[in-house]
Amino acid sequence: DTGVSQDPRHKITKRGQNVTFRCDPISEHNRLYWYRQTLGQGPEFLTYFQNEAQLEKSRLLSDRFSAERPKGSFSTLEIQRTEQGDSAMYLCASSLSESDNEQFFGPGTRLTVL
Amino acid sequence: AQSVTQLDSQVPVFEEAPVELRCNYSSSVSVYLFWYVQYPNQGLQLLLKYLSGSTLVESINGFEAEFNKSQTSFHLRKPSVHISDTAEYFCAVSGLYSSASKIIFGSGTRLSIRP
Repeated sequence: DTGVSQDPRHKITKRGQNVTFRCDPISEHNRLYWYRQTLGQGPEFLTYFQNEAQLEKSRLLSDRFSAERPKGSFSTLEIQRTEQGDSAMYLCASSLSESDNEQFFGPGTRLTVL
Repeated sequence: AQSVTQLDSQVPVFEEAPVELRCNYSSSVSVYLFWYVQYPNQGLQLLLKYLSGSTLVESINGFEAEFNKSQTSFHLRKPSVHISDTAEYFCAVSGLYSSASKIIFGSGTRLSIRP
């Protein structure tokens, strides 16, 4: 499968714990995006990378959230001191072309904070 | 900044009936427009997109959407739906030439098909 992959697919954690998600984009895609989707809503942009550079962060991304893409390939999203309000589906997407911005989405990681 | 409004949160239709899912957007710049589909227990998939040129764009499974600049709309239509079209549909927009390239999504329309 050459699509965007995310790991884990599901994560249940207790409030206050740290969690880390991984995204592997489509090979050679230089742009990688993180979105969050809560029940009944569309995805909301969190942050994006061009190669290893993080170029934009949403105001939704509090200081408990950090994302990295150290070698310009896979990316990690870490949430520290999780809160119940962090429960959501975390989506990763990647794109190659700047001319049409077609983004390919992974299956997501569903986070449940108890 | 851009925003997207999907006017219907749920649309129930009978199989083989026509359907229209409405989408309006606002933007201070020119935009790309998208419809994404999310089938049950699956990830988001691009259904169709408008970049430039012909204002009517089509998908491989019979959906079409028309970009109407004066009405700032990008409604999705299908003349005859099938049970397999049951899914959530998201209208989305991104700014043309925007350095951010983030996609702004609407809140989604759940299409349910009755036999």
